[in-house]
Amino acid sequence: GAVVSQHPSWVICKSGTSVKIECRSLDFQATTMFWYRQFPKQSLMLMATSNEGSKATYEQGVEKDKFLINHASLTLSTLTVTSAHPEDSSFYICSARLSGGAQTQYFGPGTRLLVL
Amino acid sequence: GDSVTQMEGPVTLSEEAFLTINCTYTATGYPSLFWYVQYPGEGLQLLLKATKADDKGSNKGFEATYRKETTSFHLEKGSVQVSDSAVYFCALSVPNQFYFGTGTSLTVIP
Repeated sequence: GAVVSQHPSWVICKSGTSVKIECRSLDFQATTMFWYRQFPKQSLMLMATSNEGSKATYEQGVEKDKFLINHASLTLSTLTVTSAHPEDSSFYICSARLSGGAQTQYFGPGTRLLVL
Repeated sequence: GDSVTQMEGPVTLSEEAFLTINCTYTATGYPSLFWYVQYPGEGLQLLLKATKADDKGSNKGFEATYRKETTSFHLEKGSVQVSDSAVYFCALSVPNQFYFGTGTSLTVIP
C-alpha cells in the first residue's frame, strides 16, 4: 500500500518551454503532497507543500510563478516548470502524506528533467 | 529549531560487515523518526520508522531505535549485502514539517 507514482520519469525539453509533472497517490487519499528538488549527491530540498483545494505554500527562495503547483484532487498534484531554463535541470520528487494525521511521507520515483 | 544531523559519508563496507549510520535530532515536540533509502536513479523508499520513544523500527534486516535520552535514531544492520548499496536519509517529522538529513552514501563491496 501507499504507492505514489510520478509521470513522466524522464523529460528532455528545449529552453523556454513548460513542463508538467504529475504526482499521483495510487491507493490512498492525500490531502497534502510535497514537491522536492534534488541536486546530484545532495539531500532533498523542499520546494512547496501542496494542499488539496487550496494554494500551495512555497519555501523561501522558490519562485511560485515559475513552479506552478496544482492539487486538484485528493490523489493528484501537478508541478509545472514554466519557461524552463538549463538551470532548472534537476531531479524532482513528490511525496504524499496519508490523510488522517499520520506523518509518514511516501515518495514517488522522481522525474528527471533536462532542459537543453 | 528542529533538525536532523546525519553521519557523513561515503561509507564503504565489505559484504557481511556490520553497518551503523548515526542520526541525531533536535526537536521541541515529540517527533516521528524515519529512515528512507534511495537507490541509484530512483526516488526515496520508506525503510523504517518509529513514532515514539523506545520504539524500534525494523525492515529488511535494518533496525533503528528511537532513543529520547540521546536524541538518536541510529540505523544498524548486522550483515550488509551488495544490494544494500544506496543513499540513506534520516528524517524527522513534526506537525506540518518534515526534515531530512543530508544523506549517507553506502557502498558494499563483494
